[in-house]
Amino acid sequence: DTGVSQNPRHKITKRGQNVTFRCDPISEHNRLYWYRQTLGQGPEFLTYFQNEAQLEKSRLLSDRFSAERPKGSFSTLEIQRTEQGDSAMYLCASTLGARDEQFFGPGTRLTVL
Amino acid sequence: GDSVTQMEGPVTLSEEAFLTINCTYTATGYPSLFWYVQYPGEGLQLLLKATKADDKGSNKGFEATYRKETTSFHLEKGSVQVSDSAVYFCALRDYGGSQGNLIFGKGTKLSVKP
Repeated sequence: DTGVSQNPRHKITKRGQNVTFRCDPISEHNRLYWYRQTLGQGPEFLTYFQNEAQLEKSRLLSDRFSAERPKGSFSTLEIQRTEQGDSAMYLCASTLGARDEQFFGPGTRLTVL
Repeated sequence: GDSVTQMEGPVTLSEEAFLTINCTYTATGYPSLFWYVQYPGEGLQLLLKATKADDKGSNKGFEATYRKETTSFHLEKGSVQVSDSAVYFCALRDYGGSQGNLIFGKGTKLSVKP
């Protein structure tokens, strides 16, 4: 078990472009969370999946954001028409259940120019 | 809504000094409390946790006690090492909802000088 992985680790894009990030959770974990961390702040919850179902979305997740977990394994987070305010570290975490430890990936750092 | 407030950094200490990082929380239910650590270039790692009042979490020489009366979960270590240099995040998870997401403080950067 290699833990939670995220790709790419870094992404630089121009304003208005679409970007997609991938998260591969620990294989037996059925819950997957996305968080966003801006400079000098703690991570903020974006959305979570239980298996393939997206069960909760934060108000931070605007209409330009969409997340999927098609087979209950890996997940993707897409941002359409990126804005400079989207620049942040996007973190993925997985866990077996709501009360269990969340294991975090290394994050994808997005820079929007 | 639920929130976590932790002391702002950066904190700079000499090796073997005593460390305290203050953390207080606001929650409507009965949260579990956590300290996470983020070493340079690495992902967040759970350092310790406490799930109910008066519980003490401990790991790697760090300790924190869940104080319901003061709504606090301060992180302490008796003798810090250079390798403890990292960003420390206090967090809570409230089971009033079912999603189980974590709510984090802003983080405190610790630098330990030899």
